[in-house]
Amino acid sequence: GENVEQHPSTLSVQEGDSAVIKCTYSDSASNYFPWYKQELGKGSQLIIDIRSNVGEKKDQRIAVTLNKTAKHFSLHITETQPEDSAVYFCAASTNTGGFKTIFGAGTRLFVKA
Amino acid sequence: DAGVTQSPTHLIKTRGQQVTLRCSPKSGHDTVSWYQQALGQGPQFIFQYYEEEERQRGNFPDRFSGHQFPNYSSELNVNALLLGDSALYLCASSTSPSPQETQYFGPGTRLLVL
Repeated sequence: GENVEQHPSTLSVQEGDSAVIKCTYSDSASNYFPWYKQELGKGSQLIIDIRSNVGEKKDQRIAVTLNKTAKHFSLHITETQPEDSAVYFCAASTNTGGFKTIFGAGTRLFVKA
Repeated sequence: DAGVTQSPTHLIKTRGQQVTLRCSPKSGHDTVSWYQQALGQGPQFIFQYYEEEERQRGNFPDRFSGHQFPNYSSELNVNALLLGDSALYLCASSTSPSPQETQYFGPGTRLLVL
């Protein structure tokens, strides 16, 4: 079946450094790719998303790139801060054959002050 | 504006029991989706409700059922609980059933089955 692989599972960076999380998906019909930040007790917050007609999107310190040919997309966080520490999930969505949003297994990001 | 709310926050049940989880969507949202998130895993889609009907369903047995009310709030029911049902149950709401619509997640209900 369809799946989304996410790497790394754990990432530790020094404050101010950049963090990169990568995801690959199997369903070529996927056309919407959101990224969520999950903090304990706060729920999952959408931080950025990208659609298949765009190759890159940026919002302040956060950017996402999409390579549809290779079926992978990445999250880039620059100038990391301790409050960026959380679990990040990527997802790939399609409405071909019915609603499908497949999530990656998550990346736990630690930003050390 | 209240976001997505879920109740209860935590729940402990024993095998064979039944459980009901509740979700109120974000204001202006009419679509509710439910996800199960096992420890160390990403959310797995259970089903989606729109116009008080189940519109889509993931790979979950019939023990998992739901309901959506006229005010768009929703319930997730799980019968004959198994130990493997222990997980964080997430509710997400959106402005339409399209998977390209942004989903807003609640904080979840953590269910422990003993």
